[in-house]
Amino acid sequence: DIQMTQSPSTLSASVGDRVTITCRASQSISSWLAWYQQRPGKAPKLLIYDASSLESGVPSRFSGSGSGTEFTLTISSLQPDDFATYYCQQYNIYSTFGGGTKVEIK
Amino acid sequence: EVQLVESGGRVVRPGGSLRLSCAASGFTFDDYGMSWVRQAPGKGLEWVSGINWIGGSTGYADSVKGRFTVSRDNAKNSLYLQMNSLRADDTAVYYCARVNGPLEAYYYSMDVWGKGTTVTVSS
Repeated sequence: DIQMTQSPSTLSASVGDRVTITCRASQSISSWLAWYQQRPGKAPKLLIYDASSLESGVPSRFSGSGSGTEFTLTISSLQPDDFATYYCQQYNIYSTFGGGTKVEIK
Repeated sequence: EVQLVESGGRVVRPGGSLRLSCAASGFTFDDYGMSWVRQAPGKGLEWVSGINWIGGSTGYADSVKGRFTVSRDNAKNSLYLQMNSLRADDTAVYYCARVNGPLEAYYYSMDVWGKGTTVTVSS
């Protein structure tokens, strides 16, 4: 099984900050990686797929990069709507999610 | 409007069975693979199962293999998850999601999600 490790598990930041979340895979997954945002009590929302492709309708302040085993999600300027939990997901062999990163208000 | 609506969640005893349904609307259902993803209370997301556009290929997480069965009825625009031998650690919100990939894919990124249905396994 492919394990996905996200860091940090919690991140405190302010509106306007640049935020970076890291996801590491236990083996190479090429670019088969997605990022999701989940607000409390809501379903996840797809932000990025294929490691760096922005889902339609998602603000351009979100970006993804990486390949192989190391990936990052960057929010260029944190907005009030962005305080949420973020998950990475690999879909190279079956599918596995990372443990999540909660972005909270500093 | 593209929409997925799950149903069938309830409280069930350990060892019991349950069938979840997911009704799709607003898109051509048989153009997409579909997946089930669950989230235990206060925990992260776990991919449970997936099925390709025609139902010819399916996959399961190790935690549910042999106990859960995914199926679909394209004529009814519906996805199902038959859950048998339920355990306390199956307690979760179950989401159905549209696979954002090739026709044959049953796991990929997921671009449309339902609101979820809650399954509680408890005596």
